This record gives sequence, C-alpha cells and structure tokens, in this order.
Amino acid sequence: DTGVSQDPRHKITKRGQNVTFRCDPISEHNRLYWYRQTLGQGPEFLTYFQNEAQLEKSRLLSDRFSAERPKGSFSTLEIQRTEQGDSAMYLCASSFNPKTGGRTDTQYFGPGTRLTVL
Amino acid sequence: GENVEQHPSTLSVQEGDSAVIKCTYSDSASNYFPWYKQELGKRPQLIIDIRSNVGEKKDQRIAVTLNKTAKHFSLHITETQPEDSAVYFCAASRGNSGYALNFGKGTSLLVTP
Repeated sequence: DTGVSQDPRHKITKRGQNVTFRCDPISEHNRLYWYRQTLGQGPEFLTYFQNEAQLEKSRLLSDRFSAERPKGSFSTLEIQRTEQGDSAMYLCASSFNPKTGGRTDTQYFGPGTRLTVL
Repeated sequence: GENVEQHPSTLSVQEGDSAVIKCTYSDSASNYFPWYKQELGKRPQLIIDIRSNVGEKKDQRIAVTLNKTAKHFSLHITETQPEDSAVYFCAASRGNSGYALNFGKGTSLLVTP
C-alpha cells in the first residue's frame, strides 16, 4: 500500500496518560499535516511540516500536544496528560510541492488513529 | 481565521436525481477549494478541487462551481447512485504561507434506490 499510513489505528487510554501516534506519508511527499476530527464535524487543522520544519501550528495545539518530523519522513504526534476532550480521530495527510511557499497542493489523508480517553 | 459554512447538513435524494451542496467562506485570500468524500469509518478522499483562477470544473458526474465575488462554491453530483452515499466536506485554503485546509461541517448524503 503506497498511501498514507498511521499507527495505531485505535488507542484507548486512561485520563492523564501520554500517547504517541505515528504517521508515514506517501513516499517523497515533503509536506505533512495533522488534523483532528470529532464525531459529526469536519477535520480541524493542527499543524503542518515542510520537510522536517514545523511551519504552521493551530491554536488548537495546546502545550500538551507536540509533533515532530525529525528526518523529514515519518511524523509523530504526542499528547501528554490526556483529557477526555482529546477523544477524537487524529488524521494525517501528506502532499508534495518542490517549492517553499507557493500554492496549496492536494492533500492525501491516512486512515486515522481513533483515540478514546476514559 | 477562515470560516467555512456548509449546507445542507443532510441531503436525501432518489437514485438518478442530482444533488447540490453549497459552501461559503470568509477569507477573501482563499484560493484553493477541495471537496472530500468520507464513507463511514474511512479516510477522507479527494473527489474534485478547484482553484481561484477558474469558475467551474467538471469530472464525469461531478462538478464544482466557484463564485469568488460572493465567496461561495458548490458541488454538483448528477445521476446519483447509492454508492454516492457518504459525508461530503468542502474546504478552503489560502496557499502561500497558509496550507491548512479549513473544512465545513459536512453534508451527509443518502441516495435511495
């Protein structure tokens, strides 16, 4: 499968625990995005990487959230001290654009990681 | 920030009829408008997109129109089939320094045989 992959697909945790999700973008895609989707809503943007640089962060990304893309390939999203309000589907997307700046590219989404905080 | 509103929230049509979903956006700098289809438990999949330099784009049974003056864009699906049943999301993005897709709340489309 050459699409965007995410791991794990499901995560159940207790409030206060830390969780980490992984996203593997489509090979050679240099842009990577994280979104969060709650039931009955559209995806909400969290953050964006161009190669290894985190260039854009939403105000939704509180201090408990951190994302990395250390080698410009896969990315991790960590949530510390989880709260029940963090329960959602976390979606990763990737795209390719050879330039810094320029137009928005087609974003291809992964299957998501469904987080349930008890 | 950008605010994208989508209507209707639910839409039921009979097989063979047309379906129209409408979105409005607030940021006049937005210049990229994709539409995604999401089936239950599946990932969002791009079905069509349009950039601000064109007013209409068509791909088989699907078309999108854009009115930049009024800041609204619409998805048209003709000859609907039961497999078109899904949630459809519109989105808007500014490009350049802002690549976030700002999504509408979605339209649940049901096509009945």
